[in-house]
Amino acid sequence: GQQVMQIPQYQHVQEGEDFTTYCNSSTTLSNIQWYKQRPGGHPVFLIQLVKSGEVKKQKRLTFQFGEAKKNSSLHITATQTTDVGTYFCAGLPYGGSQGNLIFGKGTKLSVKP
Amino acid sequence: NAGVMQNPRHLVRRRGQEARLRCSPMKGHSHVYWYRQLPEEGLKFMVYLQKENIIDESGMPKERFSAEFPKEGPSILRIQQVVRGDSAAYFCASSPLRQETEAFFGQGTRLTVV
Repeated sequence: GQQVMQIPQYQHVQEGEDFTTYCNSSTTLSNIQWYKQRPGGHPVFLIQLVKSGEVKKQKRLTFQFGEAKKNSSLHITATQTTDVGTYFCAGLPYGGSQGNLIFGKGTKLSVKP
Repeated sequence: NAGVMQNPRHLVRRRGQEARLRCSPMKGHSHVYWYRQLPEEGLKFMVYLQKENIIDESGMPKERFSAEFPKEGPSILRIQQVVRGDSAAYFCASSPLRQETEAFFGQGTRLTVV
């Protein structure tokens, strides 16, 4: 079946270091969304990428969507303790209903002060 | 504008009992999605509903699980004869439009089957 693989599963960084998580889909995606989930919390939408090769920035966060629309990345510059949480990518395959987002297993980020 | 409301936040059921999880979408949202999350796992899509209609239930187990979104009132996810493997966090999300829009998640219901 359709899968979205996300790596790494865990990332421990020192505050101020950069962090990147990668997402790869087995099929071409209509769009990809990124969510952040704090421990014990619920997923919160960060961004959606739709166009091939798209790059979007939110302050220290940079999101990319690959040319083939099968992979994506989230890069955080100079991490802070407030960045702690699990970051999920979620892809919508072509032809899928909007609800049938396929989530990656997430990258759990811990930041040491 | 209140967010997506889910209740209860925590639910404990004995094996064989029924679990009813409720979700009230954000005001103006007519699309509801249910996801299940096991510990340390991502979210698995279960079902997508609009008012009075099930649009996509491809992620729902064939037995014991059902969902509805009536014309009036919240969406309900029902799990009959619960088993230990049903223990998980169940999240509901809503969106105003079907295509290519963000989903707003509720706080989730943590179901524990003992």
